[in-house]
Amino acid sequence: AQSVAQPEDQVNVAEGNPLTVKCTYSVSGNPYLFWYVQYPNRGLQFLLKYITGDNLVKGSYGFEAEFNKSQTSFHLKKPSALVSDSALYFCAVRGLPHAGTASKLTFGTGTRLQVTL
Amino acid sequence: NAGVTQTPKFQVLKTGQSMTLQCAQDMNHEYMSWYRQDPGMGLRLIHYSVGAGITDQGEVPNGYNVSRSTTEDFPLRLLSAAPSQTSVYFCASSRARGGNTEAFFGQGTRLTVV
Repeated sequence: AQSVAQPEDQVNVAEGNPLTVKCTYSVSGNPYLFWYVQYPNRGLQFLLKYITGDNLVKGSYGFEAEFNKSQTSFHLKKPSALVSDSALYFCAVRGLPHAGTASKLTFGTGTRLQVTL
Repeated sequence: NAGVTQTPKFQVLKTGQSMTLQCAQDMNHEYMSWYRQDPGMGLRLIHYSVGAGITDQGEVPNGYNVSRSTTEDFPLRLLSAAPSQTSVYFCASSRARGGNTEAFFGQGTRLTVV
């Protein structure tokens, strides 16, 4: 079964500093990896995805993520955090579907990012 | 485009009552799914569908039914609500079952069962 681990419930960063939100995954075969962000009382918004190719993926709002196959990780990064980045961040994984089935999206438990002045 | 629309946004039910959470998408997506979000547990898959007439169970299907009569709609039914079903429910859709496309989420339905 596929799974995602986000080891930090909360990450605290000062505005202007770099941020990293960690994610590791487990899946059979090559993974499709995603990051989503959730602002209070809102649905999830797609940030970026890794499908294949370059291990460094760039996404919305200046975020990027680095895929590391040997460490089965897909950490979310941003060079300079903003107070407006404060939100709940989810990592998710999909594996390739088996014949006759669909490829389900499995989420981590989420990491709350708090950016302060 | 409206994207994924969920109704209602808020609902309070008494134990044993039934209700249907509505989900509609206007992007002609094959794949639709329902998740529940609980504190500290992330999003857990309840049911999903890969196309009209095809549904399957996810991680936590007990107490919920779904049907998919059209591409656009994927309602979630609670037949006899229980306090354990108090949660925030999200509907999502994506373009293909192959896995390499991102999912689009509705705004959520906050359900309280008393």
